[in-house]
Amino acid sequence: NAGVTQTPKFRVLKTGQSMTLLCAQDMNHEYMYWYRQDPGMGLRLIHYSVGEGTTAKGEVPDGYNVSRLKKQNFLLGLESAAPSQTSVYFCASGDPAETQYFGPGTRLLVL
Amino acid sequence: DQQVKQNSPSLSVQEGRISILNCDYTNSMFDYFLWYKKYPAEGPTFLISISSIKDKNEDGRFTVFLNKSAKHLSLHIVPSQPGDSAVYFCAAIDLNFGNEKLTFGTGTRLTIIP
Repeated sequence: NAGVTQTPKFRVLKTGQSMTLLCAQDMNHEYMYWYRQDPGMGLRLIHYSVGEGTTAKGEVPDGYNVSRLKKQNFLLGLESAAPSQTSVYFCASGDPAETQYFGPGTRLLVL
Repeated sequence: DQQVKQNSPSLSVQEGRISILNCDYTNSMFDYFLWYKKYPAEGPTFLISISSIKDKNEDGRFTVFLNKSAKHLSLHIVPSQPGDSAVYFCAAIDLNFGNEKLTFGTGTRLTIIP
């Protein structure tokens, strides 16, 4: 039982490059979330999903896209990376009114 | 507009004493509140929660107090231990249909001094 895993752990991109962050959970959760954490800003919700095939915008969705083709996976895409997207990205799964389980994070640096 | 606020970015407490972390909110529709703890290079982990119909919830050394009229909650840790040194995030949720997401505060870094 791995819980929530994130791939990759660290990545450096040049401005304008694209990439996909993968989140996988093995707890059969319906809800999955992508957050970013920046100094002094706390955890801000980018996009979330309430079930397979569904996605919804969070607080800071611009510049990101997501897909939930399989229940266990939630992908976060950056089509054209910008330095403002330098951050630590956390995926989480689980009912927010009970417990959300977070992954270990992906550290992204955009030059 | 920050709906959940943690006004103290950092707090230092002597080992064995009480740590009190504070959180204020502005959205009166929030009906469930949670605290998460985060160590460096790890994801946050759930610590304790409280429903808006209660004013106190206790779990071992951790107690959360809710003052709805003041839109204020606090986390008490007693006695504080070195392993409690971490960043603590307050979070809130409106459980009405269509609101399936948490709103987090900016976090408070707690340092326990041995």
